[in-house]
Amino acid sequence: DAGVIQSPRHEVTEMGQEVTLRCKPISGHNSLFWYRQTMMRGLELLIYFNNNVPIDDSGMPEDRFSAKMPNASFSTLKIQPSEPRDSAVYFCASSARGRIPDTQYFGPGTRLTVL
Amino acid sequence: QKEVEQDPGPLSVPEGAIVSLNCTYSNSAFQYFMWYRQYSRKGPELLMYTYSSGNKEDGRFTAQVDKSSKYISLFIRDSQPSDSATYLCAMTLVSGNTGKLIFGQGTTLQVKP
Repeated sequence: DAGVIQSPRHEVTEMGQEVTLRCKPISGHNSLFWYRQTMMRGLELLIYFNNNVPIDDSGMPEDRFSAKMPNASFSTLKIQPSEPRDSAVYFCASSARGRIPDTQYFGPGTRLTVL
Repeated sequence: QKEVEQDPGPLSVPEGAIVSLNCTYSNSAFQYFMWYRQYSRKGPELLMYTYSSGNKEDGRFTAQVDKSSKYISLFIRDSQPSDSATYLCAMTLVSGNTGKLIFGQGTTLQVKP
């Protein structure tokens, strides 16, 4: 299995631009998580889906952030408009619910820099 | 106050040393306790997990949970330069339910040859 796939790996954009991050979970996994990691705040859960349905988006910092999961093999995290404080590494992770424990498998991350 | 507290370090030790990494937490309902290892510019990967209290050993790694003190530890024996990474503790209420993990901030470990 290829593991969790994220694209792009690096993104540099200017303030005010729209940014779209993409994730392909591991085949057969039915939970998907989006995290943001910074030196100051560590790893923060933004939103997660079970069976393509958003369950908890309380970690989404503000309305500029949105996430979708149109099918079991694809998810996007969009930031519009982007701001310099959004600069971070964004991770996608997936897991197979019902297994003990819920082991989350992380992708390699997207390093976002907003100038 | 964060639900899970972890000293970010960095922690630097000589090769062969015993390393102790720790986390404290505030929610007594946590039941599954995990340690993830994250190499530089990579995503975290699960190292080991324990359920409720007690110890679990896997090679040079031992995970320990003390629920009465709300304190978990990861011990690394005979540390190697390849162990240099950031170690994140994580915990969850009930596995297989929400699937939501609460992570510590991570401790950066450097093992010097």
